[in-house]
Amino acid sequence: EADIYQTPRYLVIGTGKKITLECSQTMGHDKMYWYQQDPGMELHLIHYSYGVNSTEKGDLSSESTVSRIRTEHFPLTLESARPSHTSQYLCASLGTAGGGYTFGSGTRLTVV
Amino acid sequence: AQKITQTQPGMFVQEKEAVTLDCTYDTSDPSYGLFWYKQPSSGEMIFLIYQGSYDQQNATEGRYSLNFQKARKSANLVISASQLGDSAMYFCAMREAIISNFGNEKLTFGTGTRLTIIP
Repeated sequence: EADIYQTPRYLVIGTGKKITLECSQTMGHDKMYWYQQDPGMELHLIHYSYGVNSTEKGDLSSESTVSRIRTEHFPLTLESARPSHTSQYLCASLGTAGGGYTFGSGTRLTVV
Repeated sequence: AQKITQTQPGMFVQEKEAVTLDCTYDTSDPSYGLFWYKQPSSGEMIFLIYQGSYDQQNATEGRYSLNFQKARKSANLVISASQLGDSAMYFCAMREAIISNFGNEKLTFGTGTRLTIIP
């Protein structure tokens, strides 16, 4: 079944550690997105990609970085995690303009 | 300025009653789309319903319907016969073009409404 997968589901990590949040989709979608969401709050777009080797920053400034080496894979990296990075990170993909968005289950990151 | 406005931070509704969640939007683009998502406490985003700006009829999906009033720029979600499992956060979102990146689009979200169904 075509879907979008995020790992890990939950992550608790110490300050200063480097982390990578994984996002993979099996639908061959070109457009992929990362949203950041604090508990009970709205989603903010932090990164997006419209194909291999294309990445752009979103509306909310983020210290994270992303890469898009393969169509199906869109990982997000924090070089040095801080408590301010504690949040939920949701990955989404879009197949064609005007189509529907598919969201992953999210990664809940806690930096202690 | 907020592009998607949800004015109800929280709502409490008796089970089996209908509930309307408000959403207003702001755009100058003639082509846009409006989504409603449900987010339970587990955190995933569940797609409920979609309305395109050129759709002539209001969208319906089972117990969910979208009351689309284009002139007023509102897209309220109506849930008929509410159930305990409907308790969750509900987000209204608008698809819009990325001006600096022609041909690409993004979703912009409102602040959400936390719906609690009372038995």
